[in-house]
Amino acid sequence: GAGVSQSPSNKVTEKGKDVELRCDPISGHTALYWYRQSLGQGLEFLIYFQGNSAPDKSGLPSDRFSAERTGGSVSTLTIQRTQQEDSAVYLCASSLSGRGYTFGSGTRLTVV
Amino acid sequence: DQQVKQNSPSLSVQEGRISILNCDYTNSMFDYFLWYKKYPAEGPTFLISISSIKDKNEDGRFTVFLNKSAKHLSLHIVPSQPGDSAVYFCAAAAQGAQKLVFGQGTRLTINP
Repeated sequence: GAGVSQSPSNKVTEKGKDVELRCDPISGHTALYWYRQSLGQGLEFLIYFQGNSAPDKSGLPSDRFSAERTGGSVSTLTIQRTQQEDSAVYLCASSLSGRGYTFGSGTRLTVV
Repeated sequence: DQQVKQNSPSLSVQEGRISILNCDYTNSMFDYFLWYKKYPAEGPTFLISISSIKDKNEDGRFTVFLNKSAKHLSLHIVPSQPGDSAVYFCAAAAQGAQKLVFGQGTRLTINP
């Protein structure tokens, strides 16, 4: 596609439920990143995929968070047993090389 | 450990005047710096970047200045326009790294 596509755009879930957030990067972009923005906060790095290399998971806040990238394209971020502090806008970005990210519009997750 | 800091959460500027957004960093390994602009309900979009081998980069109304000794960069917008009202994020990357570290953002409001 022309841009980075994220779905759903909004998700309201009950505390304790699992959620899956999807990111469809720009075709051909080898790098894919997940960030989140909590209310009043900056962009917090979560995880980074580069080609076939092992992902950089150093930003995942707990073992309830995981992500995979299938076939070097679509990525899914999974949050298990959601907590209220997981409420945030989850942003995905992709890049061909270097640091020129293109971001999606994000998924606003609300845990009630 | 906030490696990239934007100490002003908000800034209000009159239309036509200069807007100056500031960013400080602590990691001396950072060698590439970027500014992103974010409108509500949209992902951040790339605005301008600068490599550490330069101290200034200009693109139309936008100029980024880098002071390596002070570990400080700034974004100048002149003249400011109402459409410039957005949240601006400063970001940095270490040498050889693609992962960006973002600041907390500054909300710029341009008043008519």
